[in-house]
Amino acid sequence: DQQVKQNSPSLSVQEGRISILNCDYTNSMFDYFLWYKKYPAEGPTFLITISSIKDKNEDGRFTVFLNKSAKHLSLHIVPSQPGDSAVYFCAASASKAAGNKLTFGGGTRVLVKP
Amino acid sequence: DGGITQSPKYLFRKEGQNVTLSCEQNLNHDAMYWYRQDPGQGLRLIYYSQIVNDFQKGDIAEGYSVSREKKESFPLTVTSAQKNPTAFYLCASGVRGNTEAFFGQGTRLTVV
Repeated sequence: DQQVKQNSPSLSVQEGRISILNCDYTNSMFDYFLWYKKYPAEGPTFLITISSIKDKNEDGRFTVFLNKSAKHLSLHIVPSQPGDSAVYFCAASASKAAGNKLTFGGGTRVLVKP
Repeated sequence: DGGITQSPKYLFRKEGQNVTLSCEQNLNHDAMYWYRQDPGQGLRLIYYSQIVNDFQKGDIAEGYSVSREKKESFPLTVTSAQKNPTAFYLCASGVRGNTEAFFGQGTRLTVV
C-alpha cells in the first residue's frame, strides 16, 4: 500500500521550459512534504520542503504547491536546465508520529533536452 | 567537512554470507536511517534510530540488523536471511524533530 505516489515515471522537457512533477499521498497524518533530487549512484539531495500549513513555497527556480484537500503536491522547475536531469523523489513525514521518518514516492525521471 | 560517509561504494558478497555496511556522520545528528532502493522504485525504510542505543524497525526490516553504539555510527548488517539483498543502500541522518534528512552517497551491494 503506497502512501506516497508519483504516477509519472518520466518526464521530458525542453531547456528553458517549465517542468511540473506531481505527487499524491493518502495518509492524512502527513504534515511535511519534501522533494529530493537524485543522480545515478549517488545519494538524494534535498531540494525544497513545505509544511501543511502552507500552500506554496518558493526557492529560486523551484516552487512546491500543496493542495491538502486533494492530497496532492507538485514541484515546478522554471526555467528547466540540462543539469536538472535527474530522478526526483517526493517524500512525506508525519511530525506527530515517532521517528520523523520519511515515506518516499517511486520517483520521476526528468530529462531536460538542450 | 561535515557529512555522511558510507563505505564501501561497491560491495560484492557470496550468497549466504552476512555483510556489514558502514555509515558514519559528523553532523552531530541524533537521528539516523537506512533506506534501500531497487531499480525503478522509491526508497524504502529498513531501520531508524533517534538516539544512541535505541533503534526501531522500518517497513522492510526482515533480514537486516543494526546497532547504534555511538552517535556518529549506524552500521547495517545484511544477513543471509534477507531473500533479495542485491540493492542500493542509502544511509541518512537528521536533527531529531526535524523533517529534513541528509543522505550519504550510498553502497551498491551485489550478492552473487
